[in-house]
Formats: sequence, C-alpha cells, structure tokens
Amino acid sequence: EGQLVESGGGLVQPGGSLRLSCAASGFTFSSYDMHWVRQPTGKGLEWVSGIGTGGDTYYSGSVKGRFTISRENAKNSLYLQMNSLRAGDTAVYYCTRGAAGFDYWGQGTLVTVSS
Amino acid sequence: QSVLTQPPSASGTPGQRVSISCTGRSSNIGSHVVYWYQQLPGTAPKLLIYTNDQRPSGVSDRFSGSKSGTSASLAISGLQSEDEADYYCIVWDDSLNGWVFGGGTKLTVL
Repeated sequence: EGQLVESGGGLVQPGGSLRLSCAASGFTFSSYDMHWVRQPTGKGLEWVSGIGTGGDTYYSGSVKGRFTISRENAKNSLYLQMNSLRAGDTAVYYCTRGAAGFDYWGQGTLVTVSS
Repeated sequence: QSVLTQPPSASGTPGQRVSISCTGRSSNIGSHVVYWYQQLPGTAPKLLIYTNDQRPSGVSDRFSGSKSGTSASLAISGLQSEDEADYYCIVWDDSLNGWVFGGGTKLTVL
C-alpha cells in the first residue's frame, strides 16, 4: 500500500516563501502523476498543481506564476515551491497520487501566512 | 464560487437512501469522468468512486455513482451514522486546463 508523507509547512509572513516536500513509498513513484491539493480550515478542497511522469506541469489560476511544482524520482519525492505567499494561501496542503483520480493522500501539512 | 455545483448540505435517517448531485458544464463533466471523495472530520479525503461509477476495493457497495450529460450523482443507500462526512466531486476541466472540485456537501445522519 502506498504512503505519502508531507513536510515543510509552517508560519510565514505575507510575501514570503516556503518549500513543501512529499516523500512517497510503497509504489513506483516515477510511474505516476502527482498533485498538490489544499484545504483552508473549515472550507472545501482546491486543486493546486500537478506534475506528469514526463515532468509536464499544471497549475490552478490562483497560484500560477507564484508556485512551482517539481519531482525528484531518484528520491521518490515531490516538491512545491511557494513564493509571494498571501493570506489566502493559508491551508492544509495535501500531496496526492494521480491514479483513478487521486487515490493516495498524505496526512497534510499546514501552511499559515500571517504577519 | 466553485465551477462544480454541489448542495452544501444533505441529510437522512439511518437506513434511508440519499443522493448528492454535482452539476458542471460541457468543458468538465460533459467531457470527462467524475470522481467522488469522502472526507471524515479531521482526516484526509478518501477515494469513494472513480470513473463515474466504479468503486475501489474496500469501498462499500452502499455507495454508487452515476453521470448523465453535465451532471453526476453520488447515492448512498442504507445510510449509517459513520457515513456522516463531507463529500466532494472532482473532474478535469478543459477550459481551465486543471482539476476542479465541487464545493462539497456535508452529510448529516439524523
């Protein structure tokens, strides 16, 4: 059974940067698209970004130009570089595997953007 | 305002059958398959239905999905207290070139 573990969340000031990581295990990481999905406290889910097996990337309009998704297959790792952070980016960020929709999810890491 | 429209709430009594709708448009539900997720309080979402109407291994057959035109639906039969959760639909959108979630439906078992 696959497992995803996110890390890197925390408190950051508006305009600041943060890099999230996701460590994958239990499946052939390089064979799957991977995604980030976020959820503000008490609100719904929002797809943030995805990366294909070939490195093609996709972003939601709300983060395009500010966030960068990347992967390192040799380390079974997914990353999300978040720049120019805003209060509206405050949320739990989930790493998900893109198979049959999003079939595996991590436990999430909380990002709080506040002064 | 979500691209996909779900009722914000739904409810039923134990044993009842409830249905949750997800309405989109030609660029998303009209062109692509729909997925449904269940999110219990304080936990990560769980895949409930994939490719419109398929259940992953381990998901109860009380859950079923369907799609017609630009709308999809999740039905839960034999409602149980443990079904109390938030439910989300998701689909790829050609216009946005990205995935879109419904706003979520909070199911209450009375």
